[in-house]
Amino acid sequence: QVQLVQSGAEVKKPGASVKVSCKASGFTFISHYMHWVRQAPGQGLEWLAVINPSGDRTTYAQKIQGRVTVTRDTPTSTVYMELSNLGSEDTAMYYCARDNSARDNSGKSHWWFDPWGQGTLVTVSS
Amino acid sequence: SSELTQDPAVSVALGQTVRITCQGDSLRRYYATWYQQKPGQAPVLVIYGKNNRPSGIPDRFSGSSSGNTASLTITGAQAEDEADYYCKSRDSSGNQWVFGGGTKLTVL
Repeated sequence: QVQLVQSGAEVKKPGASVKVSCKASGFTFISHYMHWVRQAPGQGLEWLAVINPSGDRTTYAQKIQGRVTVTRDTPTSTVYMELSNLGSEDTAMYYCARDNSARDNSGKSHWWFDPWGQGTLVTVSS
Repeated sequence: SSELTQDPAVSVALGQTVRITCQGDSLRRYYATWYQQKPGQAPVLVIYGKNNRPSGIPDRFSGSSSGNTASLTITGAQAEDEADYYCKSRDSSGNQWVFGGGTKLTVL
């Protein structure tokens, strides 16, 4: 079945970096953009980044631009998100999600995230 | 601050109809997508495009849009619908994505 399986929980010290992986299966990996979304404890969802199917173009949220790098590896169908210079505000559940797109009868494009990975908890603590 | 605005909390009596709204300028140009999230779980897609439901989502869930406001309607809310609901769309530049702040739905 179509699924995304993420790497396990991480505990990092302030200033460190973390790299989270997301392994895809059950679909043609190279046909889809992939996104990263995070959710701080008790807070809402925050979009972070997207990478194109070939892996040569990324777009990052302005809030974390300069600290985040998203890459993908086609042979292993895995996408990675590395976040550097971690602070307490980066403590969150991190999700990967597959992008899907279509154009309706009126010619209007739309996009949706499905499926989502199970999430990776990143805790930043001294 | 989010470019998409949702009411923080909404309640509905069991079996009644509830509408959850999402406002933002980008919704004049782009459809909203709706996700349901239950405690301790990853978000789940419930509505995408003009009004499309993924397989497995009950037909009591529907979506609509007018001007800068998108709505998720649950007709005949069930206890299992109690969850947080998030809208999502492209931002006003069209280059990034943005989520609404989320609406906590309580089924009484």
